[in-house]
Amino acid sequence: QVQLQESGPGLVKPSETLSLTCTVSGGSISDHYWSWIRQPPGKGLDWIGYIYYSGSTNYNPSLKSRVTISVDTSKNQFSLKLNSVTAADTAVYFCARGDYGGTLFYFDYWGQGTRVTVSS
Amino acid sequence: SSELTQDPAVSVALGQTVSITCQGDSLRKYYATWYQQKPGLAPVLVIYGKNNRPSGIPDRFSGSNSGNTASLTLTGAQAEDEADYYCQSRDTTVHRLMFGGGTKLTVL
Repeated sequence: QVQLQESGPGLVKPSETLSLTCTVSGGSISDHYWSWIRQPPGKGLDWIGYIYYSGSTNYNPSLKSRVTISVDTSKNQFSLKLNSVTAADTAVYFCARGDYGGTLFYFDYWGQGTRVTVSS
Repeated sequence: SSELTQDPAVSVALGQTVSITCQGDSLRKYYATWYQQKPGLAPVLVIYGKNNRPSGIPDRFSGSNSGNTASLTLTGAQAEDEADYYCQSRDTTVHRLMFGGGTKLTVL
């Protein structure tokens, strides 16, 4: 059974960089698309971006200028960096495994989520 | 199109049938995927593709598509089905994944 676990600081100061890591266990990070998704308090889900195990990335255009997702296959981990954060970036951040299947894309495994608050 | 629209809230009597809908131009080309999210927990995949259920998802959950509308149907709603439900698809013009705003399902 594939499991994902987010880790990183729960509090980030405005204008600084949010950094999170997702550790994948119970399966290899090779193959599949590894994503970050966030959920502001009381709101819906917002896709941030994904990385393929080979290193190719795809980001939400609304965040593209501030986001970097990277992968470390030797550690079975992938990471998120979001720079120049503001209070609007306060959210629960989920990592998830994704797959393309013809005319669809779906996230089949999710981490439990980690709450990040942007505040001074 | 870059939007998926869901009704904010839907209710259903225990044991009855309810459909949760998702509208968007991208659904004319791409299937919707559906997730269930209970308070404080991560979303769970419930329907993907034409009408596929992951292992462990009860067969009372089913999915369908027609034109620009995708539907998640719950046949014989149970109390444990009370949750938020999100649809998800792909944008047709830019390579972007997107979620609907979510529907809060209340089982009465």
